[in-house]
Amino acid sequence: ESVLTQSPGTLSLSPGERATLSCRASQSVTSRYLAWYQRKPGQALRLLIYGASSRATGIPDRFIGSGSGTDFTLTISRLEPEDFAVYYCQQYGSSPLTFGGGTKVEI
Amino acid sequence: EVHLVESGGGLVQPGRSLRLSCAASGFTFDDYAMHWVRQAPGKGLEWVSGISRDSRTIAYSDSVKGRFTISRDNAKKSQYLQMDSLRVEDTAFYYCAGRRGGDNPFDYWGQGTLVTVSS
Repeated sequence: ESVLTQSPGTLSLSPGERATLSCRASQSVTSRYLAWYQRKPGQALRLLIYGASSRATGIPDRFIGSGSGTDFTLTISRLEPEDFAVYYCQQYGSSPLTFGGGTKVEI
Repeated sequence: EVHLVESGGGLVQPGRSLRLSCAASGFTFDDYAMHWVRQAPGKGLEWVSGISRDSRTIAYSDSVKGRFTISRDNAKKSQYLQMDSLRVEDTAFYYCAGRRGGDNPFDYWGQGTLVTVSS
């Protein structure tokens, strides 16, 4: 099983700042099958990034995914007020599907 | 607009059963493999089970194998999770999620239903 470790657990930033979220896998992620999701209170998870760096439909270009192998990063170039949320990474290249523990981006 | 709406959660005693449902709308349900993912209080997301578009391929996590049964009804655009022999550690929010196939992420998620297993 591929264990995903996200860091930091909490990121305290201000609107306009850059956020850098890390996701490290215990084994290489097959074919860069790494996704990032956003969760806001009372809402369903939303797919942001798939294939490590491809933005999902309708996702603003301030969300940037990068990385390969075991190290992946989600960068939010300039935080908007609506970006304060919890972010999860997930690998879908091997069974079982696994998720990171999440990073909370707070003001 | 896409909607996945879970129902059937509640408080149940250890050893008892519960059946969750997930109703889909706003997308072509038949084109999507469906899954259940759960999150216990204060814990991370855990994949529970998945079923292929035609129900021919089914998988379970080791933690629920032999106790939970996933199914779907494409005519009703719904999937289900029959949970038997429930344990205290099964307490969690259960989320319905859909993806197009084995090499895809989860495109759609529901908001979840809470299952509490307690005596």
